[in-house]
Amino acid sequence: NAGVTQTPKFQVLKTGQSMTLQCAQDMNHEYMSWYRQDPGMGLRLIHYSVGAGITDQGEVPNGYNVSRSTTEDFPLRLLSAAPSQTSVYFCASSQRGLNTEAFFGQGTRLTVV
Amino acid sequence: GNSVTQMEGPVTLSEEAFLTINCTYTATGYPSLFWYVQYPGEGLQLLLKATKADDKGSNKGFEATYRKETTSFHLEKGSVQVSDSAVYFCALIPGGGSNYKLTFGKGTLLTVNP
Repeated sequence: NAGVTQTPKFQVLKTGQSMTLQCAQDMNHEYMSWYRQDPGMGLRLIHYSVGAGITDQGEVPNGYNVSRSTTEDFPLRLLSAAPSQTSVYFCASSQRGLNTEAFFGQGTRLTVV
Repeated sequence: GNSVTQMEGPVTLSEEAFLTINCTYTATGYPSLFWYVQYPGEGLQLLLKATKADDKGSNKGFEATYRKETTSFHLEKGSVQVSDSAVYFCALIPGGGSNYKLTFGKGTLLTVNP
């Protein structure tokens, strides 16, 4: 079982460049989320989706866009990368319902120079 | 708003030592509480959970009890192993919420030496 797959695993961007972090899950989960992990900050929610065609902002959405055209995919777009976006990004998915387990991808380590 | 405070560490123990990682929370209503573990180079995995007061979650020798009166969910293990070296995150979702909006603590790095 692939679970939650994130690509790429590592990326270096120059300030002002744009890119898309890919996330795909093969568990038919309705819920998907993006988090960023920074030293001493834990994980913070960027955007989330409760189903295809439905997205909403989390705690730190500025500088990021998302879309959810299919159940499987939930890409995260950086419109104009900034050094403050240097972080490790995690995608997660879970089934609809209360208290269901969230499954995480292995992460994308992004450095903006 | 909702928040989770956990001891930041790092925590360094010898094999077979007793482990406690403290976690307290602030939330309205009755949140559900979780411990996630992140092994080196990997994503987070659910370790255990508790969804109501006085519930005890347990897995792989780890335990945590949901204490409403002290708003705590401390993680414990009686005898740690080198393979338990990882970062541990306490997290919550508010009562009636769903886990696409987890609130995490800052994480505690545990290193277990042989």
